[in-house]
Amino acid sequence: GNSVTQMEGPVTLSEEAFLTINCTYTATGYPSLFWYVQYPGEGLQLLLKATKADDKGSNKGFEATYRKETTSFHLEKGSVQVSDSAVYFCALILIQGAQKLVFGQGTRLTINP
Amino acid sequence: GAVVSQHPSRVICKSGTSVKIECRSLDFQATTMFWYRQFPKKSLMLMATSNEGSKATYEQGVEKDKFLINHASLTLSTLTVTSAHPEDSSFYICSARDPSGLQETQYFGPGTRLLVL
Repeated sequence: GNSVTQMEGPVTLSEEAFLTINCTYTATGYPSLFWYVQYPGEGLQLLLKATKADDKGSNKGFEATYRKETTSFHLEKGSVQVSDSAVYFCALILIQGAQKLVFGQGTRLTINP
Repeated sequence: GAVVSQHPSRVICKSGTSVKIECRSLDFQATTMFWYRQFPKKSLMLMATSNEGSKATYEQGVEKDKFLINHASLTLSTLTVTSAHPEDSSFYICSARDPSGLQETQYFGPGTRLLVL
């Protein structure tokens, strides 16, 4: 089946630290990959996405590269800020068929000043 | 980006009562909406796919008579938790697909926290 596995949280970092949140997936077809972010008290927002192998999605200083050979889509940011504190979800969707989003379990990130 | 709202944001009810949650797409018409349930420290689990003007498609293990979904218009889908019990307490999130945009893009509501006493 289709599934997404994220690194266990919570993750706590100091401001300006380097961030990596690992995400790997299994899929029966050729998925599009996403990172969603959920700020406290808000709904999920699309952070970035990639639709084919070697694509790099980027937004707000965050990046993730679609690696088909390792079935991974790790999220990175070079220098985190307190405002980046949120829960981050990796997800995939198969364009063929029902087009359902499959989410990872989420990683809570806390950035301390 | 597109905006999806949910109402109420929080509800507390007694066991045995029914609760209705509304999901609205505010600036686009959504032919397809999705309902998710999120358990504490867990991922979002898709409950059902709601298509305007037709019956919802439920995921395996989700009781359709327990979780009634109605998508009567292109901007509104409702989830009714019937005869709620404490185990139904959870965070319910809807999303909507904008048909004018990329097919894979869903816009999420802020969620509704349900507590059944």
